[in-house]
Amino acid sequence: DSGVTQTPKHLITATGQRVTLRCSPRSGDLSVYWYQQSLDQGLQFLIHYYNGEERAKGNILERFSAQQFPDLHSELNLSSLELGDSALYFCASSLGTADTQYFGPGTRLTVL
Amino acid sequence: KNEVEQSPQNLTAQEGEFITINCSYSVGISALHWLQQHPGGGIVSLFMLSSGKKKHGRLIATINIQEKHSSLHITASHPRDSAVYICAVRFRSSSNTGKLIFGQGTTLQVKP
Repeated sequence: DSGVTQTPKHLITATGQRVTLRCSPRSGDLSVYWYQQSLDQGLQFLIHYYNGEERAKGNILERFSAQQFPDLHSELNLSSLELGDSALYFCASSLGTADTQYFGPGTRLTVL
Repeated sequence: KNEVEQSPQNLTAQEGEFITINCSYSVGISALHWLQQHPGGGIVSLFMLSSGKKKHGRLIATINIQEKHSSLHITASHPRDSAVYICAVRFRSSSNTGKLIFGQGTTLQVKP
């Protein structure tokens, strides 16, 4: 158990819908990262927050947004969902920006 | 263009064999991570290194900064080592973020 929690574990929804994925980092960790793992693209970086501030953005679609709240949990919002958004979404946390990252169990999103 | 390359993509070994997985990257890095992903999907961080060599149990990770190359070795392999092993790097150009760029992964199967 990494200490990082993600909810929900599985999510099945339809095209055009909007979903919110939630991540609670390990106690004391200030950094939260979101990664997407799809069958054809592998693991890809989406976005990084440090202590509430956005630090870096990857190839995150405009339909996707994220935020980190004052209690340091983070949410990833995916809207106008398409079939191609079906993937595993991982959250990882670390103490700072140069430390080992601990991965949550992931949320498996299926868009039908 | 993938900036992190792993080889081999797939590897089958007999129990007890010595295994090597390789990772090469294109430009200067701050750190390199080796991750393990089990069939259930969960990702575990095995090592984070920026120079030299690290050992944990039967796993050894080495990095050669000049050659931009890292290896993960598994000694006395066991069927429970069967997993996907992923190399990920934090490029030096990403100094204010710990965002990781991932290799394609190496799928290892160890047969009894």
